Amino acid sequence: DIQMTQSPSTLSASVGDRVTITCRASQSISNWLAWYQQKPGTAPSLLIYRASTLESGVPSRFSGSGSGTEFTLTISSLQPDDFATYYCQQYSSYNTFGQGTKLEIK
Amino acid sequence: QITLKESGPTLVKPTQTLTLTCTFSGFSFSSYGVGVGWIRQPPGKALEWLLFIYWDDDNRYNPYLKSRFTITKDTSNNQVVLTMSNMDPVDTATYYCVYRRGSTNWNSGYFDYWGQGTLVTVSS
Repeated sequence: DIQMTQSPSTLSASVGDRVTITCRASQSISNWLAWYQQKPGTAPSLLIYRASTLESGVPSRFSGSGSGTEFTLTISSLQPDDFATYYCQQYSSYNTFGQGTKLEIK
Repeated sequence: QITLKESGPTLVKPTQTLTLTCTFSGFSFSSYGVGVGWIRQPPGKALEWLLFIYWDDDNRYNPYLKSRFTITKDTSNNQVVLTMSNMDPVDTATYYCVYRRGSTNWNSGYFDYWGQGTLVTVSS
């Protein structure tokens, strides 16, 4: 099965910072990758699909890039609402999620 | 607008069978390509995809999990039912019903609508 590894596991940042989260696949998944945001006690919310396509209604400060085995999620200027846990998910072969990256206030 | 909502018991005993129902609105299984899935998340842990059911009754399962799952749909009542046998404490998790998007690779997809989730605890 395809394993997804996110780094870092925890990220401390301040409002206004630019942050990047990395997701690596154990084998090539082309661009079959999605990113989700999850806040405590709530369901995940889709941010990006096909590695770089922004879901409707998602702020433009979120962006995704990458193909093959390495992908990034970038938030250009952190807002207070962005502190949450982020998951990547591959959907090239079945569906597997990364272990999550918790974005904390510094 | 698409909505999904899970319902079922919050506590089951080991070895029992769990039945969860997903009641949805905003789409219909009469349309080509429509798929609904289940994903679970143990407390404090990552997400795990379980299975899909499609408009044509095709079912796709996570091949890396033991075959304890069945999924059915009730088109007239807009419901999907997940059954999981021989429950174990490691199955304690929040179970989410999701609307699947994607290509004709029916084993795969991404999820743009989620239910609120239902926490199921397995304990004697």
